[in-house]
Amino acid sequence: GQNIDQPTEMTATEGAIVQINCTYQTSGFNGLFWYQQHAGEAPTFLSYNVLDGLEEKGRFSSFLSRSKGYSYLLLKELQMKDSASYLCAVRPTDKLIFGTGTRLQVFP
Amino acid sequence: NAGVTQTPKFRILKIGQSMTLQCTQDMNHNYMYWYRQDPGMGLKLIYYSVGAGITDKGEVPNGYNVSRSTTEDFPLRLELAAPSQTSVYFCASSYSSTGGMYEQYFGPGTRLTVT
Repeated sequence: GQNIDQPTEMTATEGAIVQINCTYQTSGFNGLFWYQQHAGEAPTFLSYNVLDGLEEKGRFSSFLSRSKGYSYLLLKELQMKDSASYLCAVRPTDKLIFGTGTRLQVFP
Repeated sequence: NAGVTQTPKFRILKIGQSMTLQCTQDMNHNYMYWYRQDPGMGLKLIYYSVGAGITDKGEVPNGYNVSRSTTEDFPLRLELAAPSQTSVYFCASSYSSTGGMYEQYFGPGTRLTVT
């Protein structure tokens, strides 16, 4: 079967660092995506990992370990506008399988 | 580029009615997808298409139909609407080649209520 797990909710303080974890079990692996979704809006692409290691993009970084079926999204220097849901998605074949998302609330 | 556009933005249907959700992309992407997202949940794939004339079922296809006659358009048809189809529907597109799949671009969504 296909299974992707993320924490349901997280809270953090403005200026802090937060790590959102994602574990997956899928029949096949051709990449892992992270998307950001603000309330009432469409998801927007954040990052893509297909090889093990860390991908850094400004304040956001994403890590992948294929042997452990594990990824995390690291958000640094948190801002209020980072309050959103973060969706982990795995590509086993032609399609993406999405997790249920982690809702992050950033407090001043 | 307008990206991915969806119409309508909102719709209320009565049980048993039918409707078509429109989706158009102007990025010349070969792959297109339809998802539904229930409150507090992730995205569930309804149908997808790898190119004009080719469609395939996703995780939750029952009660829906699609067609892909052109690269740009991928309409989703609801026949005999049911309350369980109350959801937000997102259309997405991406480019894919033998070199890998690129990120999906999402439309703004259609908020559908069936009463």
